[in-house]
Amino acid sequence: DIQMTQSPSTLSAFVGDRVTITCRASQSINSWLAWYQQRPGKAPKLLIYKASSLESGVPSRFSGSGSGTEFTLTISSLQPDDFATYYCQQYNSHSITFGQGTRLEI
Amino acid sequence: QVQLQQWGAGLLKPSETLSLTCAVYGGSFSGYCWSWIRQPPGEGLEWIGEINHSGSTNYNPSLKSRVTISIDTSRNQFSLKLTSVTAADTAIYYCARGGVTGAFGIWGQGTMVTVSS
Repeated sequence: DIQMTQSPSTLSAFVGDRVTITCRASQSINSWLAWYQQRPGKAPKLLIYKASSLESGVPSRFSGSGSGTEFTLTISSLQPDDFATYYCQQYNSHSITFGQGTRLEI
Repeated sequence: QVQLQQWGAGLLKPSETLSLTCAVYGGSFSGYCWSWIRQPPGEGLEWIGEINHSGSTNYNPSLKSRVTISIDTSRNQFSLKLTSVTAADTAIYYCARGGVTGAFGIWGQGTMVTVSS
């Protein structure tokens, strides 16, 4: 199995801050990486697919980068709605794993 | 607009079989993989497995011996069965649609399944 490791596990920030979350894969996954946002009591919401493609309807303050084994999710200017938990997910050869999550809090 | 609606029993006893179904409204089965994903209370996400419109499946190796995912294209539904459940299987179970990129763009509302004697 490919292991996905996110850092940090918890991130404290303020409205207006620029924040970056990192996800590392235990082996190369090319660009087969997605990012999700999950608010309490809700299903995850897709933000970024194929490492850097913005899902339709997602604000442009969200961006993704990376390839191979190291990836980042950046939020350019935090808004109150952005305080949530974020997960990365890899898709490689029909095997799927998620990172453990990063909780973004005020 | 594609929507997924899921249902199934929410309370099971140890050793019973978990059974959930997910219906797809407003879209086609073809060209997508249909997955089940779970999330224990307060924890992260775990992929259970997937099926495509042809019925080909892939499962998480850690659950493979207990999982069956099936599809009914005539009803636009797919289902999950997980046998011999224990308390460790207590979780919110989600159905989701995966595209060619492997990302899950559409999710069901989630079903809380509790395993308790």
